[in-house]
Amino acid sequence: AQTVTQSQPEMSVQEAETVTLSCTYDTSESDYYLFWYKQPPSRQMILVIRQEAYKQQNATENRFSVNFQKAAKSFSLKISDSQLGDAAMYFCAYKRGAQKLVFGQGTRLTINP
Amino acid sequence: GAVVSQHPSWVICKSGTSVKIECRSLDFQATTMFWYRQFPKQSLMLMATSNEGSKATYEQGVEKDKFLINHASLTLSTLTVTSAHPEDSSFYICSARVVRINEKLFFGSGTQLSVL
Repeated sequence: AQTVTQSQPEMSVQEAETVTLSCTYDTSESDYYLFWYKQPPSRQMILVIRQEAYKQQNATENRFSVNFQKAAKSFSLKISDSQLGDAAMYFCAYKRGAQKLVFGQGTRLTINP
Repeated sequence: GAVVSQHPSWVICKSGTSVKIECRSLDFQATTMFWYRQFPKQSLMLMATSNEGSKATYEQGVEKDKFLINHASLTLSTLTVTSAHPEDSSFYICSARVVRINEKLFFGSGTQLSVL
């Protein structure tokens, strides 16, 4: 079964600085999707960024980018120029085709002003 | 973007009563909807997968007679917590998959259930 591991329960960063959240996963498949979701205090799940496994190029969305290392099964999220509104729980997730979304344990990110 | 409406946002009920939570896809058809449960400071745990017009598939350890799921149309799935007990108190979230776009999932805003 696929598993997703986030080894950092909590992270903190100074406002305007850069932070990287780690995620590793386990799968025997070659075609799948990886995601980072943000869950702010409102608890609404918000898609931050998505990566297709068949694409070598790392996905980027404004201040958010990923470092996708397929052979190492690693999928880290880099947040540049951190803002107070980035404070939230961040979940890494794996999905293959129409199958269920498998979430990691989450990382709580705190932004220090 | 696609919108998933989940209602109610929060509900308080007495032990032994049943509670129904609705999940609607407002501007798209969802062949599949997923129901998650989330305890405080924990990750989302998939409870069941519901496909329109067929019986839901429950994850191991989830009581299907306690958590009744109905997906009668391409835009509506419901989760009914039957004979609720305090240990059923939790945050429940639904998500919907867009037809023919497998990798896109959209989440509802969640329902906080408190059983007294």
